[in-house]
Amino acid sequence: KAGVTQTPRYLIKTRGQQVTLSCSPISGHRSVSWYQQTPGQGLQFLFEYFSETQRNKGNFPGRFSGRQFSNSRSEMNVSTLELGDSALYLCASRVAGVDEQFFGPGTRLTVL
Amino acid sequence: AQRVTQPEKLLSVFKGAPVELKCNYSYSGSPELFWYVQYSRQRLQLLLRHISRESIKGFTADLNKGETSFHLKKPFAQEEDSAMYYCALKDNQGGKLIFGQGTELSVKP
Repeated sequence: KAGVTQTPRYLIKTRGQQVTLSCSPISGHRSVSWYQQTPGQGLQFLFEYFSETQRNKGNFPGRFSGRQFSNSRSEMNVSTLELGDSALYLCASRVAGVDEQFFGPGTRLTVL
Repeated sequence: AQRVTQPEKLLSVFKGAPVELKCNYSYSGSPELFWYVQYSRQRLQLLLRHISRESIKGFTADLNKGETSFHLKKPFAQEEDSAMYYCALKDNQGGKLIFGQGTELSVKP
């Protein structure tokens, strides 16, 4: 069974631009969560989607948004990029009702 | 507030030595705790969860509610145990995980 895939793997943007990251969960997994990982703040929860509905949201500004499609694939969008948004963005999927989360390789976003 | 604390950023031990990675949590209610591991150039993956009380790769972790701790232990460290270890607390809402800052374990030959 293929693992969680994330595209693109690397991205360079400039301040003020917007970016969209994509996550394809493991087949059969309907829950997708997003995390931001930085050296200073560590791993921080962004949001979780299940059956196209946002179930939970972390403490991030409204510039961070996401969505989930009917095939469970998820995208997250960051608008008006700031230097501090430079991070590794991780996506994780799981089977609803099961705790174990399976992580993707991440998308490394650099904001210049 | 819900919080996970891993006091050590780096833990260095010699092969065959015992290892203990510390994790303390703050949570009101009955916590669900996990240890995730990230080996070099690999993805973050679940190592073990407190509810299953299992031993994975020789590692065990016991939930101590009195001390609000969930320390990860292994009696004899191996070089292949070198990795980044994260303690995580499951939020009571859905699948949200609250992670500690992580501890890098380095096992020297």
